Amino acid sequence: KQEVTQIPAALSVPEGENLVLNCSFTDSAIYNLQWFRQDPGKGLTSLLLIQSSQREQTSGRLNASLDKSSGRSTLYIAASQPGDSATYLCAVPSGNTPLVFGKGTRLSVIA
Amino acid sequence: DAGVIQSPRHEVTEMGQEVTLRCKPISGHDYLFWYRQTMMRGLELLIYFNNNVPIDDSGMPEDRFSAKMPNASFSTLKIQPSEPRDSAVYFCASSFFGHGDEQYFGPGTRLTVT
Repeated sequence: KQEVTQIPAALSVPEGENLVLNCSFTDSAIYNLQWFRQDPGKGLTSLLLIQSSQREQTSGRLNASLDKSSGRSTLYIAASQPGDSATYLCAVPSGNTPLVFGKGTRLSVIA
Repeated sequence: DAGVIQSPRHEVTEMGQEVTLRCKPISGHDYLFWYRQTMMRGLELLIYFNNNVPIDDSGMPEDRFSAKMPNASFSTLKIQPSEPRDSAVYFCASSFFGHGDEQYFGPGTRLTVT
């Protein structure tokens, strides 16, 4: 059974810092991985989708990497801003389940 | 497109009452998913549909939970009778394809059962 773990569970950084969020998964037989953002009281918004054939995917200040063999992905946020404060979740397809989610990392960027 | 629409946004009910949550997926999406989110368990898939047909309902916790999709633009998740442990945020999501495709989430329904 696929398990997705995100460490740390919460992170607080000063504005302007570069930061890395981690995601690990137990079954490396995946064909893609997604990162989502969730604002308080809102639904999830897809940020990046990395295919297993890719190693990186970039969108603005966000860069996601995928290392299937080690079962890891990272989300790099450059020059963090208070507006980046949210919970970030990663998810992978697994078996009959379209997506299995981690519990997320709650990010606070302090002005 | 307006995105995935869910109603109501908030629901407070007493234990034993029937609760019906509603979802309108994005037009053209063939897949619809129902999730439940709690602090303890995170985001869990309850059931998903392809072209209005339930594909996997193994995540539905008990027989008290049921879901239907009578047409491509409407789905319901019903809990009867409701219990306090059902209190959670319920999300509906939709996508063009199923496995691993980008999913679009609705704003969720926050359910409180007292």
